Amino acid sequence: AQSVTQPDIHITVSEGASLELRCNYSYGATPYLFWYVQSPGQGLQLLLKYFSGDTLVQGIKGFEAEFKRSQSSFNLRKPSVHWSDAAEYFCAVAGGGYQKVTFGTGTKLQVIP
Amino acid sequence: EAGVAQSPRYKIIEKRQSVAFWCNPISGHATLYWYQQILGQGPKLLIQFQNNGVVDDSQLPKDRFSAERLKGVDSTLKIQPAKLEDSAVYLCASSLAGYPQETQYFGPGTRLLVL
Repeated sequence: AQSVTQPDIHITVSEGASLELRCNYSYGATPYLFWYVQSPGQGLQLLLKYFSGDTLVQGIKGFEAEFKRSQSSFNLRKPSVHWSDAAEYFCAVAGGGYQKVTFGTGTKLQVIP
Repeated sequence: EAGVAQSPRYKIIEKRQSVAFWCNPISGHATLYWYQQILGQGPKLLIQFQNNGVVDDSQLPKDRFSAERLKGVDSTLKIQPAKLEDSAVYLCASSLAGYPQETQYFGPGTRLLVL
């Protein structure tokens, strides 16, 4: 069965600092990997996704993620965090015939001035 | 383009009562999903529809939860009777055809509190 681990429940960074959110997945074949962001009181929005090709994926809002098969990881990065990036971030994996997505437990990002 | 619509946004009920949530997906999207998101956890898929047929309901507690998607468009999710542990945000999402590489578009969710 597929699974996702986000080891950091909560992360605090200063505005302008770089960010890396960790994600490890478990899936038997080539996975489809996603990062979603959830702002308070809102639904989830897709930041980026990987399913083939270049292992460095660019997304919206200046985010990128790198797929590392050897480490079963798909970490999310941003070079300079803005206060508006404060939200909860979910990594997800999909596989199988019709898409069945399994989400991680999320990492809550706090941005301090 | 209109997004995924859900109603109500909030609901408070007492245990053993029933409740229903409504979702209208993005026009033309064949696949509709209902997720349950308990506080502090990631969303968990309850049921997935392809048009008006069920593709996956393996994690739906069928003794109390039911869902339908009449005419392959909007959908309702019902809980009867509700338990305290059903307190959660219920998210609806849709995608074009349900393939793994597709983006799922999420609605704002319905926050349910069971007292």
